[in-house]
Amino acid sequence: ETGVTQTPRHLVMGMTNKKSLKCEQHLGHNAMYWYKQSAKKPLELMFVYSLEERVENNSVPSRFSPECPNSSHLFLHLHTLQPEDSALYLCASSQAGSGYSTDTQYFGPGTRLTVL
Amino acid sequence: DQQVKQNSPSLSVQEGRISILNCDYTNSMFDYFLWYKKYPAEGPTFLISISSIKDKNEDGRFTVFLNKSAKHLSLHIVPSQPGDSAVYFCAASGSNTGKLIFGQGTTLQVKP
Repeated sequence: ETGVTQTPRHLVMGMTNKKSLKCEQHLGHNAMYWYKQSAKKPLELMFVYSLEERVENNSVPSRFSPECPNSSHLFLHLHTLQPEDSALYLCASSQAGSGYSTDTQYFGPGTRLTVL
Repeated sequence: DQQVKQNSPSLSVQEGRISILNCDYTNSMFDYFLWYKKYPAEGPTFLISISSIKDKNEDGRFTVFLNKSAKHLSLHIVPSQPGDSAVYFCAASGSNTGKLIFGQGTTLQVKP
C-alpha cells in the first residue's frame, strides 16, 4: 500500500449506530487531518493531529470523535449522527516542519457516508 | 465568511486550448497557495503550489500565477487534455491560519 488509504470507501448508517472510519498513511508523515466535504461546499477542516497530539478541533460536534493511536493511523468514531452529516470524509497527511501549517497535504480517497 | 473563493463553478474548453482557473482570497496574511485536482471517487491530489515570494510557478503544462495586490491566483493548463477534466480546488494558508483554507472548487471539462 502506498500513499493514504481510507476504509470503508462507502458507509450507510442509521442515526443510532456507532461506526468508525479508518485512515492509514504510508508516507512517513507526522501530521494527519480529517476533512468533511459536503455537496457544493469547500472542504471543511475538522481535526488536525500533529505528532499524535490533537492541535485543531474546528468546532466539530461531539458526535464525531477522532483518535490517533500513532503517526500512521487516524480514526474518526461516529455515534448518533444526523442526516445532515452525510458527506464525503477525507483524511490527509503531511510532513509538518514545526507544526501543521503550510505543508502540502496528501489526501486519501475518502469515505462516502450516508446517514439515514 | 469565505476566505478563498472560486467564483466559477464550471469551465468548459476544447482540447489543445488553454484552461484558466481563477481563485480569489481575502486574507492578506496568506503566504502559501496550492492547487488540487480531484477526480470522482478519489481524494484531491496535489498539483502545484506557489509561495508569496513568487508570482509564477511552472510545472510542465501547469502554471500558477499569483497577484498579491489583487489577492488573486490563477492556474493555467496548456495545452488542455481530456484527462484534465476534474474538479480543481485552490487552497491557501498563512502563519496566522495554520491550516489550509479551500475554495469551493471549479469543475473543468475538456472536450475532445
